[in-house]
Amino acid sequence: AQSVAQPEDQVNVAEGNPLTVKCTYSVSGNPYLFWYVQYPNRGLQFLLKYITGDNLVKGSYGFEAEFNKSQTSFHLKKPSALVSDSALYFCAVRDAYAGGTSYGKLTFGQGTILTVHP
Amino acid sequence: EAQVTQNPRYLITVTGKKLTVTCSQNMNHEYMSWYRQDPGLGLRQIYYSMNVEVTDKGDVPEGYKVSRKEKRNFPLILESPSPNQTSLYFCASSLARPNSPLHFGNGTRLTVT
Repeated sequence: AQSVAQPEDQVNVAEGNPLTVKCTYSVSGNPYLFWYVQYPNRGLQFLLKYITGDNLVKGSYGFEAEFNKSQTSFHLKKPSALVSDSALYFCAVRDAYAGGTSYGKLTFGQGTILTVHP
Repeated sequence: EAQVTQNPRYLITVTGKKLTVTCSQNMNHEYMSWYRQDPGLGLRQIYYSMNVEVTDKGDVPEGYKVSRKEKRNFPLILESPSPNQTSLYFCASSLARPNSPLHFGNGTRLTVT
């Protein structure tokens, strides 16, 4: 079974400081990993994904994520946080080698609330 | 505009009264999925569909039904809603490739009293 953990319910940073939102995962095979962001009263929006290749993935709005296979982690980062980055962030995983239609299962973490203070 | 449309946005109903939440996408996506979002639990997958007439259970399918008769539509049916199905529901779609990101609707907030 696949799973995702986001160990921090909340992350607070000051505007202009770097931010990190943590994610660890578990899959049987190799992972496809995703980050999504949710603003109030809206659906989730895709930020970035890891498939294979470079361990540092760049995405929308200046976000990037670092894949670490040995630590089974996929932390979301941004060098300089903005107040407008404040939102709920979700990490998600899919098993790349799930057979048949099983790769249709996409598992999300419980979410991390990011608050960026002016 | 490419989008996933859910209706209604808000729904209050009573225990046992059958309801349907509709979901439609205009991107010709093969894959569609339903999630429920609950505080502290994140998003949990209810059902997904890889294509027309192909559906499969997610992690929390009990109490829900789906159908995929057309590519663009993927309705979620609660035959006999109960209060523990009070939640925020999201429909999503994507291409049927494991590396394809999901496009989400804006959600349906369901309250069952």
